[in-house]
Amino acid sequence: SQTIHQWPATLVQPVGSPLSLECTVEGTSNPNLYWYRQAAGRGLQLLFYSVGIGQISSEVPQNLSASRPQDRQFILSSKKLLLSDSGFYLCAWSGSGGPYEQYFGPGTRLTVT
Amino acid sequence: GESVGLHLPTLSVQEGDNSIINCAYSNSASDYFIWYKQESGKGPQFIIDIRSNMDKRQGQRVTVLLNKTVKHLSLQIAATQPGDSAVYFCAENDNDYKLSFGAGTTVTVRA
Repeated sequence: SQTIHQWPATLVQPVGSPLSLECTVEGTSNPNLYWYRQAAGRGLQLLFYSVGIGQISSEVPQNLSASRPQDRQFILSSKKLLLSDSGFYLCAWSGSGGPYEQYFGPGTRLTVT
Repeated sequence: GESVGLHLPTLSVQEGDNSIINCAYSNSASDYFIWYKQESGKGPQFIIDIRSNMDKRQGQRVTVLLNKTVKHLSLQIAATQPGDSAVYFCAENDNDYKLSFGAGTTVTVRA
């Protein structure tokens, strides 16, 4: 069966510090991968998605970036965090092609202080 | 703005009653819809999906109805249980790869 992992589960970082969140998927090949951000009490905002290694599509201009160095690995990064980057970050995967349902990881709660 | 929205942000339901959560969408070209359940502090969990060539689909205790004429989607939960308390999101496909999510409805089950 397929599983998706995210780490860390929680993170507190000062303004201006770098960020690296990692997501890995097991049990599937060539998945579509997604990064979402969810503000408290709000819906999901798509940040990036990837349909293959090295292929990244950005949905919202921001100081975040994403990379996909391996087929089942998706990384969300920032060189300098802003207070507004605080939120709940969710990684998701779906089968290649589509549209198909997306399956979400447990999320990372990021607080920028 | 969001292309997918929910009629009510909160729903309170008595345990054992049926719940109905509604969603309106604006993209008439969308051909795939999903309902998710999100418990506090967790990632959304897939509940059920439906494609535009169907009007109704049933799962375990859940039914999704799709009315393409008025661009309306609903999720019905039979015999609502305390474990059904969560935020429910509808989503529609923007293209083959992306989903657009509504703002969510918070369901609270009263004992």
